[in-house]
Parts: sequence; structure tokens; C-alpha cells
Amino acid sequence: NAGVTQTPKFQVLKTGQSMTLQCAQDMNHEYMSWYRQDPGMGLRLIHYSVGAGITDQGEVPNGYNVSRSTTEDFPLRLLSAAPSQTSVYFCASSYSPADRGPEAFFGQGTRLTVV
Amino acid sequence: AQSVTQLDSQVPVFEEAPVELRCNYSSSVSVYLFWYVQYPNQGLQLLLKYLSGSTLVKGINGFEAEFNKSQTSFHLRKPSVHISDTAEYFCAVSDVDSSYKLIFGSGTRLLVRP
Repeated sequence: NAGVTQTPKFQVLKTGQSMTLQCAQDMNHEYMSWYRQDPGMGLRLIHYSVGAGITDQGEVPNGYNVSRSTTEDFPLRLLSAAPSQTSVYFCASSYSPADRGPEAFFGQGTRLTVV
Repeated sequence: AQSVTQLDSQVPVFEEAPVELRCNYSSSVSVYLFWYVQYPNQGLQLLLKYLSGSTLVKGINGFEAEFNKSQTSFHLRKPSVHISDTAEYFCAVSDVDSSYKLIFGSGTRLLVRP
């Protein structure tokens, strides 16, 4: 059972370059989210999706785009990378069964450095 | 808007000693509360969660947390820590009506010394 798979694990970009961080889940969860983790700031929500074709902005969406064409995949796009986007990015997949309440499953993270 | 405060950025403790990691939250609506653990170079793993009912919640690895509505707190405790508990711990809150949107605290690094 793979859970939430993020690729790549590490990436170095030059300022102005674009790239896509991939996230896939095999648990058939409706909800998927992207967070960034910065020292001393915890995790902050970038974008989230409540189902295929439906996305919305989180706390820090500027500079990032998302789409959700399938239940399984939720890629995060950086259109023009900036040094301020140097961070560790986590994708999460969530569900909320009536008998157990909500639970989020996190990927292993992508460590991105923008130089 | 919701927020979570973890006042202690680092908590050093000796092995087999008890530990408490503090978490306070603010919200104008009903919330769910969570504690996650992050081991080095890994993703986050759920330790425990408070949904409703009993204010004392037990989780994995011997951890427990107590929800205190009047003090808006959800402190994490363990009576006897092990070296393997060394990790970063995050408290999080979500709105009951949008439970997939987590608001995290800044994290507390638990450092267990032999």
C-alpha cells in the first residue's frame, strides 16, 4: 500500500524556472492538500482540493498553481521559482469516515531549493 | 480565523522522564484537534486526535492529550519517554465543517537524552 507518493524528493531550481511537484494517492480519498514547511513556522496550507475538478486557495497560494483532473493526482506547479519558495513541500490526502473522524496522510516531502 | 500556538520550540528531557508539550488554540467555531509527529526526513504521522466526548485522548506510542475548552488548550503528555521519541511534534486544528484544512502550530522539537 503506497499511500501518498511525492516526486521528486529533492530539487534545485534556478530563479525563474518552472517545475511541477507530483503527488499521487492510492486510497481513493476525496481531499488532497499541499503544505509548505519552513523553520519555525510549522506547515502552511498552499492549495487544497475537495474532489476531482475542484480546487481552492489556502493560506499561502501566491506563486503556485494546482489542478485535480483525477482523484489520484494533485500536482503543484511553480510557474516562476523565487528564492522565497525554498522550502519542504508536503502533499496530504484526507478522508473523514463517520465512525473515526478526519485523518490526513502525508507524503515524504519534496525538498526544494531555489538559487 | 483559527490559530495554534506552541510556545516551546524545543524541549530537552532525559530518558524515562515525563514530558508535556504545550498547545493552545484560538477559534470562534467548533474544532477538531490533532497532534502529529515528524521523524527526521519523513512526513507527518498522526499521534492522536480529539473530536468530541471524553477530554482525555490516548494515542499511539504511549502518548495522550487532554482537551481543555476553558483554557483552549490541548497539551500532549507521555509519562516516560524513550530515545526513539526524539522528533518534532506539531499541534493542529481544523474547523469541524472543513476538517481537511489543517492549521498547524510552529512545532516543538522533543530531544530525549540518555
